[in-house]
Amino acid sequence: DGGITQSPKYLFRKEGQNVTLSCEQNLNHDAMYWYRQDPGQGLRLIYYSQIVNDFQKGDIAEGYSVSREKKESFPLTVTSAQKNPTAFYLCASSLLGGEETQYFGPGTRLLVL
Amino acid sequence: GENVEQHPSTLSVQEGDSAVIKCTYSDSASNYFPWYKQELGKGPQLIIDIRSNVGEKKDQRIAVTLNKTAKHFSLHITETQPEDSAVYFCAASIPSDMRFGAGTRLTVKP
Repeated sequence: DGGITQSPKYLFRKEGQNVTLSCEQNLNHDAMYWYRQDPGQGLRLIYYSQIVNDFQKGDIAEGYSVSREKKESFPLTVTSAQKNPTAFYLCASSLLGGEETQYFGPGTRLLVL
Repeated sequence: GENVEQHPSTLSVQEGDSAVIKCTYSDSASNYFPWYKQELGKGPQLIIDIRSNVGEKKDQRIAVTLNKTAKHFSLHITETQPEDSAVYFCAASIPSDMRFGAGTRLTVKP
């Protein structure tokens, strides 16, 4: 898990509720990423950020939002528009974007009540 | 964009045997190929990686080979142990875009 922390480990969402997943890194990495992992599937990119105050949509950004106000932090909000949010969410960071090794956090499992 | 295919999806071996997982990619511009190991309920951990200027890399019982002409790369684990049981992901990266395979669930039977 290196220097990347995610919280909480488990998160429960009620219908119509927005929830925010935390991701913090102390590796001094410029780039940060959010992935969604469904059972038996690979990792799908939700959003990524290569620099503070800038971020780009990944393949499945609908129903999610992010912010990058600090280099160390990249929170992900799962909005009520995301109709199937139950999944394992993984945050990663790399020294730079592009062809750099990505290091992953321990993940947050989101469940819908 | 890049597309990565990974085979097999499940692999069961006897302790001490070798395991091989294969991946193919579509974008010839890909230059970086990491492999990750994910244990149940945890985040993926990098176990080995290779860049396009190298054909093979080894780290103790783990090795990765790369064939850029054929656009495929493989993970080899020798002398498997029960603690090698996990899901393994390959990935291929071009600038600003890393794509992951769907994963291989490896089970090592004692």
